[in-house]
Amino acid sequence: EDQVTQSPEALRLQEGESSSLNCSYTVSGLRGLFWYRQDPGKGPEFLFTLYSAGEEKEKERLKATLTKKESFLHITAPKPEDSATYLCAGRGGSNYKLTFGKGTLLTVNP
Amino acid sequence: NAGVTQTPKFRVLKTGQSMTLLCAQDMNHEYMYWYRQDPGMGLRLIHYSVGEGTTAKGEVPDGYNVSRLKKQNFLLGLESAAPSQTSVYFCASSYPLEYGYTFGSGTRLTVV
Repeated sequence: EDQVTQSPEALRLQEGESSSLNCSYTVSGLRGLFWYRQDPGKGPEFLFTLYSAGEEKEKERLKATLTKKESFLHITAPKPEDSATYLCAGRGGSNYKLTFGKGTLLTVNP
Repeated sequence: NAGVTQTPKFRVLKTGQSMTLLCAQDMNHEYMYWYRQDPGMGLRLIHYSVGEGTTAKGEVPDGYNVSRLKKQNFLLGLESAAPSQTSVYFCASSYPLEYGYTFGSGTRLTVV
């Protein structure tokens, strides 16, 4: 059974304080590791897809990286508007379904 | 550019009542999904569809039924609602070889 585990469950940062969120996965025949952002009361919003170990993608203050067992979402000099829940999900080789982690609630204080 | 539209946005049901949640997408996506999101549990797949007229069970299908009579619509039905079905329900869609999902804004359902 595919599993995706995110840590920490919650992270509180000061504005400008860089950090990383972790996503550990056990997904058979991984065909994509996804990151989403979810704001309160809204649906998840797609951020990145990573397909192979060593791949990196960036968007503004966010950079996602992938190894054979983990993915990291690095947040550089965060701003209060980066506060949200960040979800990680994996898609296995035999289907089109995503298995989601429980998310990391990020709070950035001004 | 509506994307994925879910109706209703909020609903309160009494135990034993039935209802249907509607999901509509205008992106010509083949694949559609219904997830539920509960505190501490994350997003869990209820049912999904790989094309018009097809449906399949996900992780937590019990107590739910679905139909995909038209490519753009995916309906989730609760025949006899239970308090355990209190949750936020999200619909999503995707292309077969497009790995990202587009999510709707959710339906908050309370069963009392």
